[in-house]
Amino acid sequence: SQELEQSPQSLIVQEGKNLTINCTSSKTLYGLYWYKQKYGEGLIFLMMLQKGGEEKSHEKITAKLDEKKQQSSLHITASQPSHAGIYLCGAEGYAGGTSYGKLTFGQGTILTVHP
Amino acid sequence: GAGVSQSPSNKVTEKGKDVELRCDPISGHTALYWYRQSLGQGLEFLIYFQGNSAPDKSGLPSDRFSAERTGGSVSTLTIQRTQQEDSAVYLCASSLGGTGTGGYTFGSGTRLTVV
Repeated sequence: SQELEQSPQSLIVQEGKNLTINCTSSKTLYGLYWYKQKYGEGLIFLMMLQKGGEEKSHEKITAKLDEKKQQSSLHITASQPSHAGIYLCGAEGYAGGTSYGKLTFGQGTILTVHP
Repeated sequence: GAGVSQSPSNKVTEKGKDVELRCDPISGHTALYWYRQSLGQGLEFLIYFQGNSAPDKSGLPSDRFSAERTGGSVSTLTIQRTQQEDSAVYLCASSLGGTGTGGYTFGSGTRLTVV
């Protein structure tokens, strides 16, 4: 089964600082998804990466997928209190040219941003 | 509807009672997923429905858990003889196709508390 490990498990930063969250897979990924979750709420889709070496950005958040498609990083530039929450990476396992069609998640990274 | 709808949003039940959780996916989405999120944990996959195919039940933790999807739309997750360890947020997601290429959209979840 797909194993995903996120690091760090929690992160406390001062507003304006940059930060990076990592997600590492034990197996080659078909697709890698990043979600954000506020306490007591559902998951908000951030980005999906599928190609080795792919990089996507949305506002101050950038996500990259490495060439081997086993590691992804999420980078936030000039963090704001609104970025606080739980960041989850989810992966579709690779199954011979297609995916298993379901997401396996990392344990999440709790981000706190102090004003 | 515009998003994935789950009901109830909160449920408190006594140990040993049965509960039913409902998920109404986005219209036209053929794939539907149930996940469980315990306090401080990542998302645990429970079950996956894709069109008319037999569901992937590999994540159900015990035979007290079951799920149905009627008419390829609404799904009900049933937990029989609830135990305190069943307390968690149960999240439902749907996607356009099994590979999630249309993105996975999550509902806001049902917070289940077993007392």
